Amino acid sequence: ETVMTQSPATLSVSPGERATLSCRASHNLGSKLAWYQQRPGQAPSLLIHSASLRATGVPARFSANASGTEFSLTISSLQPEDFAVYYCQQYNIWPPGQFGQGTKVEIK
Amino acid sequence: EVQLLESGGELVQPGGSLRLSCAASGFILTSCAMSWVRQAPGKGLEWVSSLNDRGGNAYYADSAKGRFTISRDDSSNTLYLQMNSLRAEDTAMYFCARLSGGSGYDYVDFWGQGTLVAVSP
Repeated sequence: ETVMTQSPATLSVSPGERATLSCRASHNLGSKLAWYQQRPGQAPSLLIHSASLRATGVPARFSANASGTEFSLTISSLQPEDFAVYYCQQYNIWPPGQFGQGTKVEIK
Repeated sequence: EVQLLESGGELVQPGGSLRLSCAASGFILTSCAMSWVRQAPGKGLEWVSSLNDRGGNAYYADSAKGRFTISRDDSSNTLYLQMNSLRAEDTAMYFCARLSGGSGYDYVDFWGQGTLVAVSP
């Protein structure tokens, strides 16, 4: 079974600063990794798919990269609406929708 | 406009059953795979089950296998999750999710707002 490990669990950042979140997979995923944002009290929403492709309507301050089994999501200049929980999800191998445990980005 | 409207969540006793529904509009269920994803209070996202576009392949997390059944009604464009032998640990918000492709091994490109299931005596 695939294990997805996100770090850190919590990231404290000031508005306008840069934030980098990490997600490590226990197996090779190719580029089949997605990132989601979940604001408090809301459903998640898609940010990134195929490891580095922004979903429709996602601001350019969100970018993502992959290197082997290591994936990262960068928010270049945090806006107030970006303080949320971020999840990575693999969709390459069993189980087909395995999520990481999430990274909470909070205001410093 | 794509919409997913979940319903059916409620308070149920341990050992009881519930059927969750997800009414889809703005697209046809047979055009893509669909999933159920849950989130226990204060916890992260947990994939529960997926159904491929043809409706012939269903996938379940270990926590759901043997107790939950995913299905759909093409005439009403509705996805279901039948949940039996419910346990306290099944307490969660259950999200209906549209997948980007048809196989079930796809990312979620649209989420419903969720329906809350509480399992308690």
